[in-house]
Amino acid sequence: EVQLVESGGGLVQPGRSLRLSCTASGFTFGDYAMSWVRQAPGKGLEWVGFIRSKAYGGTTEYAASVKGRFTISRDDSKSIAYLQMNSLKTEDTAVYYCTRDQGDYYGSGRSYYFDYWGQGTLVTVSS
Amino acid sequence: QSVLTQPPSVSAAPGQKVTISCSGSSSNIGNNYVSWYQQLPGTAPKLLIYDNNKRPSGIPDRFSGSKSGTSATLGITGLQTGDEADYYCGTWDSSLNWVFGGGTKLTVL
Repeated sequence: EVQLVESGGGLVQPGRSLRLSCTASGFTFGDYAMSWVRQAPGKGLEWVGFIRSKAYGGTTEYAASVKGRFTISRDDSKSIAYLQMNSLKTEDTAVYYCTRDQGDYYGSGRSYYFDYWGQGTLVTVSS
Repeated sequence: QSVLTQPPSVSAAPGQKVTISCSGSSSNIGNNYVSWYQQLPGTAPKLLIYDNNKRPSGIPDRFSGSKSGTSATLGITGLQTGDEADYYCGTWDSSLNWVFGGGTKLTVL
């Protein structure tokens, strides 16, 4: 059974840093890209960024709202994905979910979706 | 302001059918595959439809997806009170990587 468990959330002051972890089990972690998606209180879903598998270079992409402040990394030996969040702002307050990603290219376009989600961890940025 | 446009809310009676639209552009829906996610109250989102119209194992065939041009549609038949949830569309975007719709709240009257 695929499981994703986020941890590391909490209350942090603006301008400070926080690192979230996503511990995976039930699948070969290193074979998959992983994303982070967040949801501010009472709002919709916002994609934060993803990290490709090592087979695809292990490179990362980020949403414009977090680029330069957030960093996604992975430790395939431990089946953990990380989200390092620096220079936090009050607008970063949200539940943060990690996801397992599926993606492929077809002749008619790109297929990309999130087939498994963790339960989420709440990050509150406030003084 | 989401890149993908969904109606904020839809409603229908139990047993009826409802559709939820998702409108985008050629940089996203028009040239890529769409997925849909269901978020029941107080829970994490769950994959409902992928590749425009495919259902993951365990998703009942009451849920269907379609795409035409730069728009996609989620259909739910035989509505049940347990279907009350927020529904989100999403797809790859050539400039922004991944984009979600703003979400649609389904009320089963």
